[in-house]
Amino acid sequence: GESVGLHLPTLSVQEGDNSIINCAYSNSASDYFIWYKQESGKGPQFIIDIRSNMDKRQGQRVTVLLNKTVKHLSLQIAATQPGDSAVYFCAENTGTASKLTFGTGTRLQVTL
Amino acid sequence: EAGVVQSPRYKIIEKKQPVAFWCNPISGHNTLYWYRQNLGQGPELLIRYENEEAVDDSQLPKDRFSAERLKGVDSTLKIQPAELGDSAVYLCASSPRTSGTGTQYFGPGTRLLVL
Repeated sequence: GESVGLHLPTLSVQEGDNSIINCAYSNSASDYFIWYKQESGKGPQFIIDIRSNMDKRQGQRVTVLLNKTVKHLSLQIAATQPGDSAVYFCAENTGTASKLTFGTGTRLQVTL
Repeated sequence: EAGVVQSPRYKIIEKKQPVAFWCNPISGHNTLYWYRQNLGQGPELLIRYENEEAVDDSQLPKDRFSAERLKGVDSTLKIQPAELGDSAVYLCASSPRTSGTGTQYFGPGTRLLVL
């Protein structure tokens, strides 16, 4: 079946460094992608989204890159801070229904 | 603006007992979702409502799970009887769009432990 997956289950970075979290998706028909951040004991929090007609979108300290050729999505966090420590999920939407398929998540650990 | 509200935040029950979760979405959001999230995994959709209509319940185990959104606002998810494998976090989300892509906003979840 179609799925969204992540290459690395855990990513450890030093405070101040840039972080890159990767995600591979298998459904070429997916047209909308979202990155969520989930802190311990909380629900997923929207970070940034991108539609399939774009290949890059920037937010505050975050950038999402979409490569439709290889079906790859990445989240870049600039100047990573301790508050960025969390599990990050990518999610994809296929078709007109608002139905997201989530990957298994990458845990980002920020060391001082 | 208040976010998605869920209650209770935690629930511990014995197997075979019933349990219910409540969700109040963000005001004005027509679409409401219930997800289940197992430890270390991403959320999995159980059911999606557009207003009071369940438009996608294909992943809801209907032998023991039920949900309702009678007035198209708040919603209740019920499990009866609960099994050990139902231990998970149950997340509610809402979206302002009734069709097409739209960002989903999540509540804090209800953590269920079935003993």
